[in-house]
Amino acid sequence: GAGVSQTPSNKVTEKGKYVELRCDPISGHTALYWYRQSLGQGPEFLIYFQGTGAADDSGLPNDRFFAVRPEGSVSTLKIQRTERGDSAVYLCASSVQGTRGTDTQYFGPGTRLTVL
Amino acid sequence: QKEVEQNSGPLSVPEGAIASLNCTYSDRGSQSFFWYRQYSGKSPELIMSIYSNGDKEDGRFTAQLNKASQYVSLLIRDSQPSDSATYLCAVYGMDSNYQLIWGAGTKLIIKP
Repeated sequence: GAGVSQTPSNKVTEKGKYVELRCDPISGHTALYWYRQSLGQGPEFLIYFQGTGAADDSGLPNDRFFAVRPEGSVSTLKIQRTERGDSAVYLCASSVQGTRGTDTQYFGPGTRLTVL
Repeated sequence: QKEVEQNSGPLSVPEGAIASLNCTYSDRGSQSFFWYRQYSGKSPELIMSIYSNGDKEDGRFTAQLNKASQYVSLLIRDSQPSDSATYLCAVYGMDSNYQLIWGAGTKLIIKP
């Protein structure tokens, strides 16, 4: 079946602009995760959805970052007033349940965000 | 603070040899362990998961877990140039069913 998809694959924007990044998880996966990855680092946790609700948003760096998953499937990560430090690869992952401590997380191809 | 530690490398291994990648973790109660492979410019893809002490084999890959020593390793037999990538170790902590704790990865280079 289809894997996790993310759009756009690349996004270049100017400082201060608003961006939206989209994630379409594997069909039937109730858990969805957003990560951010900088060069030479492992993925950095941002937010976790269980169904439609954000069960843990403790990784969001500040209130410029917000994410939604209104119907329990597709999710959008929204970044307001972008800053150069927001430049990174934004990864989305999904898993079957996210409640057992054993689920494999499957990653999408990522969105490379560059803030000029 | 819960941590996962990996040698950043690069680890250079001749083609056909065994590559050994290591990972230590700080949360003694961790139960689930994952190795992901990440090619340059790509996203992480799962190689192996392991939940019990001992060895788990899948083709050329063997994961080894020692919970007493808080150590997990990945062996790659008959290394191929296509195995050249960064290998990330990830662990679910004892008090989280969803948040993976990630190492920074080890860069592996297989020399023909």
